[in-house]
This record gives sequence, structure tokens and C-alpha cells, in this order.
Amino acid sequence: AQTVTQSQPEMSVQEAETVTLSCTYDTSESDYYLFWYKQPPSRQMILVIRQEAYKQQNATENRFSVNFQKAAKSFSLKISDSQLGDAAMYFCAYRGTSYGKLTFGQGTILTVHP
Amino acid sequence: EAGVAQSPRYKIIEKRQSVAFWCNPISGHATLYWYQQILGQGPKLLIQFQNNGVVDDSQLPKDRFSAERLKGVDSTLKIQPAKLEDSAVYLCASSFGWDVIFFGQGTRLTVV
Repeated sequence: AQTVTQSQPEMSVQEAETVTLSCTYDTSESDYYLFWYKQPPSRQMILVIRQEAYKQQNATENRFSVNFQKAAKSFSLKISDSQLGDAAMYFCAYRGTSYGKLTFGQGTILTVHP
Repeated sequence: EAGVAQSPRYKIIEKRQSVAFWCNPISGHATLYWYQQILGQGPKLLIQFQNNGVVDDSQLPKDRFSAERLKGVDSTLKIQPAKLEDSAVYLCASSFGWDVIFFGQGTRLTVV
């Protein structure tokens, strides 16, 4: 079974600075997808960024980028120029191609200080 | 494009009572998921439907939880009877093929 581990229960960053959230996963599959979701207090799970495992190039979405290390099974999220609106719980998630369900990590609470 | 709709947003019930949640996925999305998210944890898949059929219900407590998806569109998740440990947020999600999974706003259930 696939597992996803987020080792940082909480992180904090100053507004306009950069923060990196860590994620590792375990799988025996060669083709899969990785995601970072953001969950604010409203509970809505919002997609931040996704990465296809067969792509070597790291995904980027505006201020959000990932460092995908397939051999190390590592998938970290970098948030540049942090904004107050980035404060939320962030979940790393794995999606294999066999059944397509998402397996989530435990989450990291991100606090942004003004 | 309308998102995944869920109702109710909040529900408080006493233990041993029953409760039902409703979900309407994004139009055209064949795959529908129900997740349970206990406070402070990541969501856990309860059941996954592909059109009308169940793909994965391995973590659904079948003695008290049931779910159905009639006509491959709307879905309901029922708990009967509820236990204190069922207090959680219940998230419905849908997807088209292997594309992104979109989530609803969830139902916060409190069992007292």
C-alpha cells in the first residue's frame, strides 16, 4: 500500500519570504501523480500544484513550485513571496494509476506572520 | 463550471441516531469519492464509485456506513447508528479520468 508522510506538523514564515514544506512517499508503482492541496478553515480542499511522475521537469504554478526527486521518493513544495492568504493546512497526496484514489499525508499547518 | 456540491454543511446528532449526507459531483465526472477527515488528520477514503459501481470500499465500516450512487450522478452516504468517533468532516470529491480530483466543501458532523 502507498503511504505519504509529512514530517512537519507546523511551519511558519514571514510575509514575503520563502518556505518549503516536505513530503515523502512510498510506492512500488512507476507511474503516478503527486499533488499539493491547500485546506483553509473553510474546509474546501484546493489544488495548489500537481506533478506527473514520468515528467522530470518540476512543476511550477506562479509562486508555488515543487522539488520532485523520484529516486528519493521526495516531493517538497516551495512557496515564494509568502502572502497572508497562504496560511492554511497543506496536504501532500499521492494518486496511483491502478484505482485512482488519493492517499493523503497528515498535513502541515502553515502560519504566515505579517 | 459548478463545483462539487454537498449538503448539509453542518450536522449535530446524538449517538445511535442516523444521518445522511448528499453529494452532487461536477457534471460529467464518472468517479466519485467519499472521504472522512478527522480533526487534525489527512482525509481517508471511505468509498470510491466509478459510475454506479463501487471500485474501493475497503475502509468503509460496513456495519454502520452505507453509500449509494444512483444513476451514476448524485450520491448519499449514511451512518446508522452513529458513534462518537464518527465525528469528522465528510468530504465528497469527483474526477474525470485521471485528471485532478475536485472536492466539495464538506459536511462537519458532530456526534454527542
